[in-house]
Amino acid sequence: EADIYQTPRYLVIGTGKKITLECSQTMGHDKMYWYQQDPGMELHLIHYSYGVNSTEKGDLSSESTVSRIRTEHFPLTLESARPSHTSQYLCASSFKRTGSYNEQFFGPGTRLTVL
Amino acid sequence: KQEVTQIPAALSVPEGENLVLNCSFTDSAIYNLQWFRQDPGKGLTSLLLIQSSQREQTSGRLNASLDKSSGRSTLYIAASQPGDSATYLCAVRPPYNTDKLIFGTGTRLQVFP
Repeated sequence: EADIYQTPRYLVIGTGKKITLECSQTMGHDKMYWYQQDPGMELHLIHYSYGVNSTEKGDLSSESTVSRIRTEHFPLTLESARPSHTSQYLCASSFKRTGSYNEQFFGPGTRLTVL
Repeated sequence: KQEVTQIPAALSVPEGENLVLNCSFTDSAIYNLQWFRQDPGKGLTSLLLIQSSQREQTSGRLNASLDKSSGRSTLYIAASQPGDSATYLCAVRPPYNTDKLIFGTGTRLQVFP
């Protein structure tokens, strides 16, 4: 079982608020990812990181930002939440090593609702 | 552009049936393919990962096959149980960026007693 945690699990917040979604893993994985999933739709990669101080944008444009100051921690921040940000956000991690095949392990997700 | 399609979108079966879930992808050039399970309101659990050089992988009652040339994978679930009820997602990794996962929209499975 993967040891990857996300908090909060559910968040209902008003428009304009700043929010940070937390993601941490205890597996020592180098790579971490954030996905966005709207109801009934595919997951889309919005951010990823190869290691400390590395962050990259994914396929889906997002107004969120991320940081990677510690290996185990990869928070996602929205400076000013809007109703269009309502979605489920899933964090994942994987090893950067030969033979791991980049298999990703996922956290339980944060369901965000912006009113 | 790689696209992943899963059929059927939803499936409801009685307990004990053997099931086949289908996944197709438009570009046969993949690094590997991964099947996941997602329970309502929860994250993804990895079920099986098949490298592009492999034809199938098995784990318990699950068997996943890969026919890369035709752009297809199937997930076979033997002797289904109510606990198998979930959404099943397949995702492919392109060879040009093995960090990337391209997901299908999933098959929502319900197994009733």
